[in-house]
Amino acid sequence: KAGVTQTPRYLIKTRGQQVTLSCSPISGHRSVSWYQQTPGQGLQFLFEYFSETQRNKGNFPGRFSGRQFSNSRSEMNVSTLELGDSALYLCASSLGDRGSDTQYFGPGTRLTVL
Amino acid sequence: GQQLNQSPQSMFIQEGEDVSMNCTSSSIFNTWLWYKQDPGEGPVLLIALYKAGELTSNGRLTAQFGITRKDSFLNISASIPSDVGIYFCAGSTSGTYKYIFGTGTRLKVLA
Repeated sequence: KAGVTQTPRYLIKTRGQQVTLSCSPISGHRSVSWYQQTPGQGLQFLFEYFSETQRNKGNFPGRFSGRQFSNSRSEMNVSTLELGDSALYLCASSLGDRGSDTQYFGPGTRLTVL
Repeated sequence: GQQLNQSPQSMFIQEGEDVSMNCTSSSIFNTWLWYKQDPGEGPVLLIALYKAGELTSNGRLTAQFGITRKDSFLNISASIPSDVGIYFCAGSTSGTYKYIFGTGTRLKVLA
């Protein structure tokens, strides 16, 4: 079975721009979670989607948004980029039935904001 | 942001030595996961734990779900150079649909 895929792997943007990241979960997985990883804050939960519905959201400003499609693929969007948004953005997929299912991560998208 | 206490923060060990690390939480969890992350890559799942007291092995790795459900432990036996990396614990409570991650343990193995 193919693993979680994320595109693009690397992205460079300037302040004020917006960005969209994509995640394709493992086949059969219906839950997709997004995390932000920085050296200072570690791995922080952004949001989780299951069957196109957001079930939980972390403490991030409204500039961070996401969505999930009927094929379980997910996108996250960051608008009006700030320097502090530079991070590794990780997507994880799981079956999603229990709410605390085992999560499998993709390779991440490294976002650099200049 | 919310993070679990993970210790030690980093450790240097000799090849062949055993390694122990642990994770503690103020909340009760239903699931504990342990991951290893190499630089620039996503975390790779090592072991999943679903029941208090559970002890699970994966090769040279053994992890335990604490009986209080507020802690978990990971042991690596006979470490080898490729064990180098950052190890993370993660805990979740049913119905929250999210994991909280530990601060990480950076492991360096001296050949």
